[in-house]
Amino acid sequence: GAVVSQHPSRVICKSGTSVKIECRSLDFQATTMFWYRQFPKQSLMLMATSNEGSKATYEQGVEKDKFLINHASLTLSTLTVTSAHPEDSSFYICSASPGSGGLVVSSYEQYFGPGTRLTVT
Amino acid sequence: DAKTTQPPSMDCAEGRAANLPCNHSTISGNEYVYWYRQIHSQGPQYIIHGLKNNETNEMASLIITEDRKSSTLILPHATLRDTAVYYCIVRVISGGSNYKLTFGKGTLLTVNP
Repeated sequence: GAVVSQHPSRVICKSGTSVKIECRSLDFQATTMFWYRQFPKQSLMLMATSNEGSKATYEQGVEKDKFLINHASLTLSTLTVTSAHPEDSSFYICSASPGSGGLVVSSYEQYFGPGTRLTVT
Repeated sequence: DAKTTQPPSMDCAEGRAANLPCNHSTISGNEYVYWYRQIHSQGPQYIIHGLKNNETNEMASLIITEDRKSSTLILPHATLRDTAVYYCIVRVISGGSNYKLTFGKGTLLTVNP
């Protein structure tokens, strides 16, 4: 159990366009989902935390109008990078947590997706 | 979450045990020690966690010192596929803001043939 998928795995887009990345929990319901960004040879940096049906909480320095997060269901969260620029090129990783309702998998653990490689040209 | 300190890199011969140290001298009584690893260009993978007792699963063993200020992750028979960055994180297991995982720089373990 505890499988998290991301789509697409890789995306190349032109500067100024927007790109959407999906994160799905396949075999559990995720009350909370997290979005991380990882630049080459650096560690994961948390961008935002989203709870189903609520607005996302962004970490300091992350522009909420540029990185739109929607967590409309218990199995799906999306991250939209708006007006992408080359400096947004990065590895974006989501994780999902069941929260207090976790039955099959541990409630407060984070289960990570495989990541999405975004390249903005 | 309390800070952790790990060596930036380590090497290990294939088939030998890999022992990865982590210092967490400011750990609180209710904080667990977690280990994740990240193989290149993949998402992090959970390995093991513990509070104060030593733990073992199919992937690894976790040895926590009695004062809980440090721990060691042991991969008993390292393979080439174990080459990855290993992250040691301390956290409380509960909801709210304690959901967050703060990743440090980790240890790049290179398993050599």
